Amino acid sequence: GAVVSQHPSRVICKSGTSVKIECRSLDFQATTMFWYRQFPKQSLMLMATSNEGSKATYEQGVEKDKFLINHASLTLSTLTVTSAHPEDSSFYICSATRGGNYGYTFGSGTRLTVV
Amino acid sequence: GENVEQHPSTLSVQEGDSAVIKCTYSDSASNYFPWYKQELGKGPQLIIDIRSNVGEKKDQRIAVTLNKTAKHFSLHITETQPEDSAVYFCAASLANQAGTALIFGKGTTLSVSS
Repeated sequence: GAVVSQHPSRVICKSGTSVKIECRSLDFQATTMFWYRQFPKQSLMLMATSNEGSKATYEQGVEKDKFLINHASLTLSTLTVTSAHPEDSSFYICSATRGGNYGYTFGSGTRLTVV
Repeated sequence: GENVEQHPSTLSVQEGDSAVIKCTYSDSASNYFPWYKQELGKGPQLIIDIRSNVGEKKDQRIAVTLNKTAKHFSLHITETQPEDSAVYFCAASLANQAGTALIFGKGTTLSVSS
């Protein structure tokens, strides 16, 4: 149980375009979803926390107008990277939890390359 | 907010040896401490976790110890195998408070040579 599906696994986009990444909890309802970014040989850095039906909370230094997060249901959160630039190229990972003692489940990540 | 320090950043051992990775955390309210293994190009995989009401937990070759007073916890891998080679991350959070994210250490690259 507790499976999180993240799509796409890899995406290449042109500079200036937008790309959407989906994160779905397949067998549980996620009260909260989290988005992380990971640059090569670095750790996972929290970008934002989203609760179903409410606005996401962004970490300091993360542009909310650039990284749009939508958490429209208890099983789906999306991250849209708008007007992407090469410096946005990174590995994006989502995580979901149903709270309490259930822990956190991670998606398999999305490798974004902006050319 | 929470801050997690992890050491060492790299660790090389011979097959069959033990490996120990240590982490410290700053927020005394944190109560959940998982360890993740990440292979290249993949998301992190939970290998073991411990909650603040327990001092030690073991699962076959893997064990985690927690010292709440000192605010540090450690991962112990015994009888290491080449397939244990990966990046390991510790993390901490206040797990039963809704909306609290895991905060990660910087990671340890473990290399097990045969």
